[in-house]
Amino acid sequence: DAGVIQSPRHEVTEMGQEVTLRCKPISGHDYLFWYRQTMMRGLELLIYFNNNVPIDDSGMPEDRFSAKMPNASFSTLKIQPSEPRDSAVYFCASSSDRTSYTFGSGTRLTVV
Amino acid sequence: SQQGEEDPQALSIQEGENATMNCSYKTSINNLQWYRQNSGRGLVHLILIRSNEREKHSGRLRVTLDTSKKSSSLLITASRAADTASYFCATGLSGSRLTFGEGTQLTVNP
Repeated sequence: DAGVIQSPRHEVTEMGQEVTLRCKPISGHDYLFWYRQTMMRGLELLIYFNNNVPIDDSGMPEDRFSAKMPNASFSTLKIQPSEPRDSAVYFCASSSDRTSYTFGSGTRLTVV
Repeated sequence: SQQGEEDPQALSIQEGENATMNCSYKTSINNLQWYRQNSGRGLVHLILIRSNEREKHSGRLRVTLDTSKKSSSLLITASRAADTASYFCATGLSGSRLTFGEGTQLTVNP
């Protein structure tokens, strides 16, 4: 398995634009997590899915953020409109048992 | 909010020395895990210790868990320059998701 695959690796966008981050979890992993990492706040869980269903989205900062998982092999995190304070590294992780997580390499988002 | 808190925030040692990082947490847990993050990369799972275990080994890694003190330590023996990374503890409660600490930045100087 190629592991958790995220795209793009880097994204630079202007304030106000829509940003879509993508994630392909490991096949057979029923749990998918979206994290955001910044120097100030560390690793924050934004949302997680179980069997494609959102279970806990309490970490989603505001309505500008939305996440979907249309099938077991694909998830998106969308920010619309983006703001400079959204600049961070966004990680997707998947797990088969909600204990050990496998992380993707992350998307470094810069909003200017 | 983060449950796990790592100590120290940063650690710099010479190659061949041992590195010890500590993690404290606040609530009861089912397991505690340690992850490593190399610069610009995702986190990589290193080792998991369950709440009924006191010590666990994996290669040059040794993890201890003291549930009475709500603390854990990660020892890396005979460190190498390639061990330079950030190390995070993560706590898990049955039926819940992992909560990560803020990490210890380890630098191993050749």
